[in-house]
Amino acid sequence: DTEVTQTPKHLVMGMTNKKSLKCEQHMGHRAMYWYKQKAKKPPELMFVYSYEKLSINESVPSRFSPECPNSSLLNLHLHALQPEDSALYLCASSRGGQGLDTQYFGPGTRLTVL
Amino acid sequence: AQSVTQLGSHVSVSEGALVLLRCNYSSSVPPYLFWYVQYPNQGLQLLLKYTSAATLVKGINGFEAEFKKSETSFHLTKPSAHMSDAAEYFCAVSERAGGTSYGKLTFGQGTILTVHP
Repeated sequence: DTEVTQTPKHLVMGMTNKKSLKCEQHMGHRAMYWYKQKAKKPPELMFVYSYEKLSINESVPSRFSPECPNSSLLNLHLHALQPEDSALYLCASSRGGQGLDTQYFGPGTRLTVL
Repeated sequence: AQSVTQLGSHVSVSEGALVLLRCNYSSSVPPYLFWYVQYPNQGLQLLLKYTSAATLVKGINGFEAEFKKSETSFHLTKPSAHMSDAAEYFCAVSERAGGTSYGKLTFGQGTILTVHP
């Protein structure tokens, strides 16, 4: 089973709202990732958690706040977003550790900021 | 730093024709290479991966890719295109910073495959 689930599938929010995206995997993976994908572009890495610790923050604005409550769950808290933050947000996970580390992606959350 | 170049942002083929999507990589160390497919409004699905075990890699849905070190290429092929193959395809290379326990993917810009009846 290589399934990564994401909720919600779609989200519309105003610029003053606070919302959260959720990602879950039950493959025993110890690395989890958040990506942002704009139309006709490849995914851009935002954050990497390794063994529940934040390992990479690719200079993401503070209005995006990641959280990894346990090894299976990854959240992305959103606050005071801008219309240009509208995009497909993808979560991925990988085994972690040494050697080849294949990332498996979830279906994404389509975010629209009004 | 590693990089990936996908030649051709759009490729159009007829149903039943050969599919060839090109990917060239740059890497200072033996790379891990991947092809992902993305259908409209969906996430990325792993098609296949190169792990150095074999230069010809077979993936899902009849796709395969050949690793050619001399050409730094990892082109994706399928002998006979099907309408359901219409999607966007991303080639990616994985790098691992020293001492880390995760891989960092660098994606190409993607190739949109259109299949005509």
